[in-house]
Amino acid sequence: AQKITQTQPGMFVQEKEAVTLDCTYDTSDQSYGLFWYKQPSSGEMIFLIYQGSYDEQNATEGRYSLNFQKARKSANLVISASQLGDSAMYFCAMRPLTGNQFYFGTGTSLTVIP
Amino acid sequence: DAMVIQNPRYQVTQFGKPVTLSCSQTLNHNVMYWYQQKSSQAPKLLFHYYDKDFNNEADTPDNFQSRRPNTSFCFLDIRSPGLGDAAMYLCATSRDRSDTDTQYFGPGTRLTVL
Repeated sequence: AQKITQTQPGMFVQEKEAVTLDCTYDTSDQSYGLFWYKQPSSGEMIFLIYQGSYDEQNATEGRYSLNFQKARKSANLVISASQLGDSAMYFCAMRPLTGNQFYFGTGTSLTVIP
Repeated sequence: DAMVIQNPRYQVTQFGKPVTLSCSQTLNHNVMYWYQQKSSQAPKLLFHYYDKDFNNEADTPDNFQSRRPNTSFCFLDIRSPGLGDAAMYLCATSRDRSDTDTQYFGPGTRLTVL
């Protein structure tokens, strides 16, 4: 079975601080992709970062980095130097090699405090 | 800029009155998806097209239909909207269906059913 778990329904972070959003996954596929999306209140799902299961290095995109621990089946998103505009819902997703769809977690609502 | 476009951004319909939501893409991607997202929930896949090949999810109600007349456009038809169909509808595309293919989302259409 394919499953994504995000255990933090809501998180708060002070502006300019770093924050880690947790994501664990379960899959029997050997090859899979892990994705993080940001969804502001406007509703659009914005792609942030991708990590392949065979990538040895953690992915980074600007202020976003993915802390990938394959043995623990975790793919945590780290946002450095938080900004007010980072306040949004964040979804972790997995795409296994087999099957056609993305599997989404339930999301984490991040609030950045001035 | 290449992108995924959804029209309209907001749609109000009456109970039982058919409605069509539109999605277009300039990415020239093979795959187009339709998701339903209710408040504070993860997106739920309704169906997707791989080129002209339609793939319905097992639990998608018959009330929901889709058309893809060409590579660029995809439509979501709700034949008889009920109050429970009020949601955000997200269109997404991906180049292919492998584990490395990112999904790119449009801004969504927020549907209200009166």
